[in-house]
Amino acid sequence: DVKVTQSSRYLVKRTGEKVFLECVQDMDHENMFWYRQDPGLGLRLIYFSYDVKMKEKGDIPEGYSVSREKKERFSLILESASTNQTSMYLCASNEGQNTEAFFGQGTRLTVV
Amino acid sequence: GQNIDQPTEMTATEGAIVQINCTYQTSGFNGLFWYQQHAGEAPTFLSYNVLDGLEEKGRFSSFLSRSKGYSYLLLKELQMKDSASYLCAVSLNTGGFKTIFGAGTRLFVKA
Repeated sequence: DVKVTQSSRYLVKRTGEKVFLECVQDMDHENMFWYRQDPGLGLRLIYFSYDVKMKEKGDIPEGYSVSREKKERFSLILESASTNQTSMYLCASNEGQNTEAFFGQGTRLTVV
Repeated sequence: GQNIDQPTEMTATEGAIVQINCTYQTSGFNGLFWYQQHAGEAPTFLSYNVLDGLEEKGRFSSFLSRSKGYSYLLLKELQMKDSASYLCAVSLNTGGFKTIFGAGTRLFVKA
């Protein structure tokens, strides 16, 4: 059974903290993605990576960075968490551009 | 700019047929995905259309018209478990591997 695993289902962090969200996939996929999902806005792409150590900005990269040191792991970093980053964060991976994406269960982050 | 529109909510009756529409305006188009997302769960893949026409997969079918920037997802013989959000997503060919999503349509199936 293919799997994308996110390290936490729920997180509560304080404003200004540095936050790490981890994602691991076991399908040997080249591409990995980080989205945030907010009511009425759908999924918005933060960053994606098509190879180890490669990253591309998505539509809303401000306030975020990413790291991909190994093929199976893609980390999202909130450099200094703010309340407007309270959201559901979804990690996904796929084999290629026009193939289905497999999603993790999501991390609901609350910044207080 | 990139834009994908879908209705916010729909309600249908168990056993009936429902059509969820999606219109898109994007710079660059590779194909269109539909995903299903139950509350509190991850989205799961339903269908992918790259050519015009209808793709049928069991109770679910998806249609694409590239010239009109239009797609729909057709769900037949509705079951209570079909209550979920349905996400329309477009794969872009503007460089990179971007897929953009609509806001989703929440479908409520009533008995």
